[in-house]
Parts: sequence; structure tokens; C-alpha cells
Amino acid sequence: QKEVEQNSGPLSVPEGAIASLNCTYSDRVSQSFFWYRQYSGKSPELIMSIYSNGDKEDGRFTAQLNKASQYVSLLIRDSQPSDSATYLCAVFEAGSYQLTFGKGTKLSVIP
Amino acid sequence: NAGVMQNPRHLVRRRGQEARLRCSPMKGHSHVYWYRQLPEEGLKFMVYLQKENIIDESGMPKERFSAEFPKEGPSILRIQQVVRGDSAAYFCASSSGRLYEQYFGPGTRLTVT
Repeated sequence: QKEVEQNSGPLSVPEGAIASLNCTYSDRVSQSFFWYRQYSGKSPELIMSIYSNGDKEDGRFTAQLNKASQYVSLLIRDSQPSDSATYLCAVFEAGSYQLTFGKGTKLSVIP
Repeated sequence: NAGVMQNPRHLVRRRGQEARLRCSPMKGHSHVYWYRQLPEEGLKFMVYLQKENIIDESGMPKERFSAEFPKEGPSILRIQQVVRGDSAAYFCASSSGRLYEQYFGPGTRLTVT
């Protein structure tokens, strides 16, 4: 049974700081990794994808992947109050059809 | 709006009634997925469909739940004889041929009273 683990939080950071969100997964076959942002009462929104080891940057967001350690992270630079949401880590295994999600980390950015 | 559409957005049913949830995929997408999010729980995969075919229903409860994606019209998730434990947010996602890039609709929040 594939598992995706995240700290539930809440993670509180001051405005302008770097928020660091972490995720580990149990299945070495997982090949594609995603971060979704979900505001309370809303649907998940895809914000980052990463497929190979290393870093991938997109604006204020950086995703980091280490397949040997089965670890993926999301850094949010210059955090804003509008970044306050639950961040869901998801993994996709080649040959399957489903995303497996962690339970999410709730981030609060304090003005 | 070219995004994934779901309706209704909110649905209230009494125990024992049927619930029908509809999903129209994003334009150009032919792959549809249904996920369920229980309170304080993560998103759980239920079923994956292409037009007229159920490809993977490994996450669907064995009883009372069914899904279809007809040649014409939206995908439908049907829950018969609902119970209180069915109360949840049901999200539909769609993708193009890149199955791993799934885009979610706004969800249907089902409340069973």
C-alpha cells in the first residue's frame, strides 16, 4: 500500500519568510510528484510538478526531489498571507491511473 | 470557462435516497477521475474512466457506488441508498493523455441527513 506522509501542521511563518513543506513516500516506483494548494472549502489547485531529482523553480515556489531518500519538498519564498492554505503532496506511479495524496500540511502566513 | 465543471456544488440527501454527481471534463480532456475527501482526511482515488469505459475502479466501495462516462454528456457518480458516512466532498479531475497531470473541478459537497 503506497503511503504519502506529510506533517499536518499547522505551520506558521511570518510574512516574507520562507515556508518549507515536506513529504515522504513509501513506494520506490513512484515517478511523478506534485504539489497542490487547497484553500478551505475549495478544490485542489496544481501548483508544481517535478519528475527528476533536483530542484525546480517557478516564481516564488521551488520543488525539490530526492528519489533515493523518497523525499519531496516545497519551498515558498517571500511568503504572503494569501499563501495560507493546505498544501497537498501527491505522487503518481507509472502504469497506474491514480494520484496518491498525503493528508496535507496547513500553512498559516502571519502578517 | 474551459475548466472542469461539476454540479451540483452542494447536495443534501436524506438517508436512503440516491445521489447523482455530474462532471464535465476540461475541453480536450478525455480522462476522468473521481476522488473523495472525507472531513480531516486526504483525497482518496475512487475511479478512472474514459468515454464509455471504466478503466480502474479499485477505490470504489463495492456496494451502492457506481460511475459512468457515456459517449455523450458528463460523467456521473451515483450513490444509492446514501448513509451518513457518505457525507464528503467529491472531486472530479480530468487529464489529457498525460494521465499524471490532473486538474480538479470545484467539487460537490454531499451532506446526508
